[in-house]
Amino acid sequence: NAGVTQTPKFRILKIGQSMTLQCAQDMNHNYMYWYRQDPGMGLKLIYYSVGAGITDKGEVPNGYNVSRSTTEDFPLRLELAAPSQTSVYFCASSYSWANYNEQFFGPGTRLTVL
Amino acid sequence: AQSVTQLGSHVSVSEGALVLLRCNYSSSVPPYLFWYVQYPNQGLQLLLKYTSAATLVKGINGFEAEFKKSETSFHLTKPSAHMSDAAEYFCAVSDTGRRALTFGSGTRLQVQP
Repeated sequence: NAGVTQTPKFRILKIGQSMTLQCAQDMNHNYMYWYRQDPGMGLKLIYYSVGAGITDKGEVPNGYNVSRSTTEDFPLRLELAAPSQTSVYFCASSYSWANYNEQFFGPGTRLTVL
Repeated sequence: AQSVTQLGSHVSVSEGALVLLRCNYSSSVPPYLFWYVQYPNQGLQLLLKYTSAATLVKGINGFEAEFKKSETSFHLTKPSAHMSDAAEYFCAVSDTGRRALTFGSGTRLQVQP
């Protein structure tokens, strides 16, 4: 069981470039999440999905897009990178509603936008 | 909206000393509460969770937390710190609106030899 995997681990982007952060889980979880972690700010929810084909905005969705075509994969797309998107991005999954179920986190992607 | 406040962004203790990390929450309904730990360069992993079954919750690695409704608190404790406990600790509360968690800003625990 690999759990939650994320690629790449590190990336440097120039302003205006785009990229996709990959996330996959092999636990057959329905719920998946994208968070960003800024220094001293904790984790903020960007988008989440409750199953294939269903996504919804979190607290800080602007500048990002997601899709969920399969149960396993939940990629996060940055269309026009901005310095404000410099952060560490974590993908997570859970069997059911995160309110009372454990979320499993990937190792993170550290993104720098210059 | 639910919110979480963690008092103290950095806490330093000596090895063998008591660990106390503070968490206060605001929620209009009885919450589910969590403590997660993040070791350097890793993702978060669950330490323990409160889901209204018992007010004193025991977690992994000797940590426990007590839910106190009157104080809206869920402080994390460990009787004797170990060097391997050095990490960042996050308190989180259930967000019924988004079916996700609202995290506190984190407390970095340093353990001195």
